[in-house]
Amino acid sequence: KNQVEQSPQSLIILEGKNCTLQCNYTVSPFSNLRWYKQDTGRGPVSLTIMTFSENTKSNGRYTATLDADTKQSSLHITASQLSDSASYICVVSDRGSTLGRLYFGRGTQLTVWP
Amino acid sequence: EADIYQTPRYLVIGTGKKITLECSQTMGHDKMYWYQQDPGMELHLIHYSYGVNSTEKGDLSSESTVSRIRTEHFPLTLESARPSHTSQYLCASSESVSPRGETQYFGPGTRLLVL
Repeated sequence: KNQVEQSPQSLIILEGKNCTLQCNYTVSPFSNLRWYKQDTGRGPVSLTIMTFSENTKSNGRYTATLDADTKQSSLHITASQLSDSASYICVVSDRGSTLGRLYFGRGTQLTVWP
Repeated sequence: EADIYQTPRYLVIGTGKKITLECSQTMGHDKMYWYQQDPGMELHLIHYSYGVNSTEKGDLSSESTVSRIRTEHFPLTLESARPSHTSQYLCASSESVSPRGETQYFGPGTRLLVL
């Protein structure tokens, strides 16, 4: 069964600290993996996208890694800011074509305290 | 920020009423989607469209219907709202397939409460 599991479910950190969010997937065949940020009351916004051959991708203070062999990805946030408080969703696509579908994780709810 | 809009943002309505959730995008994307998301849960695809006059049901069974008469517009209709329809509804769009796969751009969502 194709699934995307994220951990932890929720996380509280202090402003300025780093954190790492995890995503494990069983989706096959694998096409690409995205991390989205969803602010409260808003739609998700894409942060990074990685294909099979890419094992790291950065977007400012966000760095995503991908291990396609173990089917694991992580999102590392450096020097957290209050605006980083949001839900971070891991999304895996099973095929890079019109027929591809997306599998969503439940997200990690990150809260950054001052 | 993506040019995709949803109205209303919040809706409280009584059981049995007919409602239409509006979604429009100005990016010229062919593909559009409706997702349902409950608090703390993953997004579930309920409808999608590959273009004008194309509509398909998604993975999650839904009593709602959609139409795609214009490229930029993808409304979702519930003929008779029930409390079980209470949820957040997210609209998204994407351009045609690229080698890296498509990125979906999401609207802000409509939070629906059926009493």
